[in-house]
Amino acid sequence: AQKVTQAQTEISVVEKEDVTLDCVYETRDTTYYLFWYKQPPSGELVFLIRRNSFDEQNEISGRYSWNFQKSTSSFNFTITASQVVDSAVYFCALSEAVPGANNLFFGTGTRLTVIP
Amino acid sequence: DTGVSQDPRHKITKRGQNVTFRCDPISEHNRLYWYRQTLGQGPEFLTYFQNEAQLEKSRLLSDRFSAERPKGSFSTLEIQRTEQGDSAMYLCASSKREAYEQYFGPGTRLTVT
Repeated sequence: AQKVTQAQTEISVVEKEDVTLDCVYETRDTTYYLFWYKQPPSGELVFLIRRNSFDEQNEISGRYSWNFQKSTSSFNFTITASQVVDSAVYFCALSEAVPGANNLFFGTGTRLTVIP
Repeated sequence: DTGVSQDPRHKITKRGQNVTFRCDPISEHNRLYWYRQTLGQGPEFLTYFQNEAQLEKSRLLSDRFSAERPKGSFSTLEIQRTEQGDSAMYLCASSKREAYEQYFGPGTRLTVT
């Protein structure tokens, strides 16, 4: 069975602070994909990143960075120098890497509030 | 690229009524997914199409729910004899066959009174 746990329900930071959102996953599959999505107040889920299970390189995109550690089944997301526009609910998700069966299993999300 | 669109954005209905939602995926995407999201939760998978074929259905999709994608383009999700527990945001997503990231529409918020 697949499971994604986002233990942090809500986080508040002051603008320009760094913040890390945690994600822990469970799967019996040896090959899988991990994702982060952002859901701003408007409600539309925005794709941020996809990571393959066989690629443990960390990734940086502007102020965003992701730390994938297979040994601890974690895929954490860090926002550097947070901005008010980063306020949103962030979801971590997991998908099997089996052709034809790649529906996403989502965590319950972390609500990030960036205070000006 | 035009994104995924959904119609209507909001629907209020009385218990027992039937409702139908529409999703138009990104034009070159042949995979289409439906998810349901309730307050404070992440989206939950309902069903998925590759072209016009419905290839997977979640146990969440009771007999009152039916989805179609008749020509492999837009899709409809119908809920018959709605119940208050059906109140949720219904999300549609699409992806290319060879990629795994899914792009979501704005959702249809259903309220059953």
